[in-house]
Amino acid sequence: DTGVSQNPRHKITKRGQNVTFRCDPISEHNRLYWYRQTLGQGPEFLTYFQNEAQLEKSRLLSDRFSAERPKGSFSTLEIQRTEQGDSAMYLCASSTSSGRSYEQYFGPGTRLTVT
Amino acid sequence: QQQVKQSPQSLIVQKGGISIINCAYENTAFDYFPWYQQFPGKGPALLIAIRPDVSEKKEGRFTISFNKSAKQFSLHIMDSQPGDSATYFCAASDSNSGYALNFGKGTSLLVTP
Repeated sequence: DTGVSQNPRHKITKRGQNVTFRCDPISEHNRLYWYRQTLGQGPEFLTYFQNEAQLEKSRLLSDRFSAERPKGSFSTLEIQRTEQGDSAMYLCASSTSSGRSYEQYFGPGTRLTVT
Repeated sequence: QQQVKQSPQSLIVQKGGISIINCAYENTAFDYFPWYQQFPGKGPALLIAIRPDVSEKKEGRFTISFNKSAKQFSLHIMDSQPGDSATYFCAASDSNSGYALNFGKGTSLLVTP
């Protein structure tokens, strides 16, 4: 299966700790997106990359959040000094930048619980 | 500010019935309107999508109706089945923002046997 994969699937951490999530996009996709989804809400856009360049960041992405895609393949999302309000599902999606560039395919998500 | 408004929040339909979910948007720059289906604990799955150059798109039991002048679009699920019970999200995006998706708040659909 060559879909989007995310690791870990679940993460429980204590408030104040740092966490890092990984996303591996569909192999031929050069765009990668991060979203956050809280319970009962739709996903909210955080940031996206085209190849290794981070092209857009949402205002939701506070200074405690950082995302990287160093070689234009997998991406990591780090949250520093976690807060209880960071508890959410973090979703990754990928797409191509040519042809049907608007179609995004999502991974299974990483569920973060901050205690 | 919610850029895409979705209704209803929840919907109960009998097996074989038609499920209808509505969305409205304000940003006229939006040029791509997908619907995603999400089961508990899973990521959203692309179900069907439409571009504004057509008013309707049908794929199997799923149909999108699009009204550009009213800035509204809707999802119709014909012959609804219990397996369709899930949360459905409409979304909108445009090329200016790299097609970053703006989602509605979702509709929880329950199809009863």
